[in-house]
Formats: sequence, C-alpha cells, structure tokens
Amino acid sequence: DAGVIQSPRHEVTEMGQEVTLRCKPISGHDYLFWYRQTMMRGLELLIYFNNNVPIDDSGMPEDRFSAKMPNASFSTLKIQPSEPRDSAVYFCASSSNPGTLSGNEQFFGPGTRLTVL
Amino acid sequence: GQQLNQSPQSMFIQEGEDVSMNCTSSSIFNTWLWYKQDPGEGPVLLIALYKAGELTSNGRLTAQFGITRKDSFLNISASIPSDVGIYFCAGPDNYGQNFVFGPGTRLSVLP
Repeated sequence: DAGVIQSPRHEVTEMGQEVTLRCKPISGHDYLFWYRQTMMRGLELLIYFNNNVPIDDSGMPEDRFSAKMPNASFSTLKIQPSEPRDSAVYFCASSSNPGTLSGNEQFFGPGTRLTVL
Repeated sequence: GQQLNQSPQSMFIQEGEDVSMNCTSSSIFNTWLWYKQDPGEGPVLLIALYKAGELTSNGRLTAQFGITRKDSFLNISASIPSDVGIYFCAGPDNYGQNFVFGPGTRLSVLP
C-alpha cells in the first residue's frame, strides 16, 4: 500500500480564496482524521470520520471549515473563505479500529503546507 | 478532557549523548504511543506500549509505560544526527476512537 496520500503538498493562495485539501486513506482503514499543525498550537485534531461518517468535529475552528468523506477512499477538507491565520500544515491520518491493540497506530500522510497571503 | 504534557519542550544535545524525555497525563491511559516527526514529514510511530510497567525497545530507542498509567518515558541512546525531529506521545481517548497527542519534544543533535 502507498500509505496515506495527500494533495497538494503545498498550496499558496490569497486571502478570501477557497482551498480544498484532499486525502486518500490506507485501504481497509475505517477511521480518518484531519489535523492542523502550527508552531504555536502544535498538532490539533480538527475532525475524524468512522466508516465515512463524521464522529467528532468539535475541533473545526469555525464555519469556514468543512470536511467530507463521500466514500471510503477519499476525503476533503475545505476552507472558504481562507484567511492568513489558516496558514499551517494540514495532516490526514487513518487507522483501523483504535479500540483494538492492533489498530492503535495512526498512519499519517505527508501533509499539505498551506500559506494564505 | 484528557491532556498530555511533554518535557522538555526542546533539547539540544551532542551527537553520541543519550536522551531522555517524558510524557505525563492527569488521567489514566491504557496505551501509550511514541511518534517521531521528521522535518517536512508526518509523524511516524516508533513504539507502542500496552501494559503498565512495560519496557519496550526498538533499536536505540527504549520506552516505558509508567506503573501509574499516567506517564511514559522515551530514551534514545547514542544519539545521531538523524534523530533530529519532534517526538510526540499519544494515546487513545476514553472512548477508544480518538487520539490525544502531546505538544511534542523538539530534539536537535549537534555534530
């Protein structure tokens, strides 16, 4: 398996533009997580899905952020409109069943570095 | 909610030195995970601990699951330049569906 795939790796956009980040989880993983990482706040969980259903979106900063998982192999994180304070590295991760010993590991993608000017 | 604290926040060491870092929580964890994040990459799992008191090694890395289940330690022996990165501790939350990550320890290795 190629691991978790994220695109794009880098995105530079202007304030007010819509940004869409994409993620393909590892095949067979039931859980998908979106994180945001900044120097100031570290690694923050934004939202996670189980079997394509959003379970906890309490980490989503505000209504400008939305995430979807239309099928088991694809998820998007959208920011509309984007603001300079959204600049960060966004990671997608997937795992099997975190409640079991063998499923405790989260596999992370390489991240998308977003810069909003 | 559950929160993890890591210390030190950052450390600078000479190549060849041993490194120790720890992770603490105000609540009990049933699993401890240690991840390493290389610059420009996503975190990668180093070691997983599943039982209180457990001591597990992975090459030059050794991690321990504290007896109280509220802490864990990671040691790196004979550090090398490629050990540079951020080390995170993590564990599943009480519901077993979400993961809680610590703020990380940033390690720099000087040649």
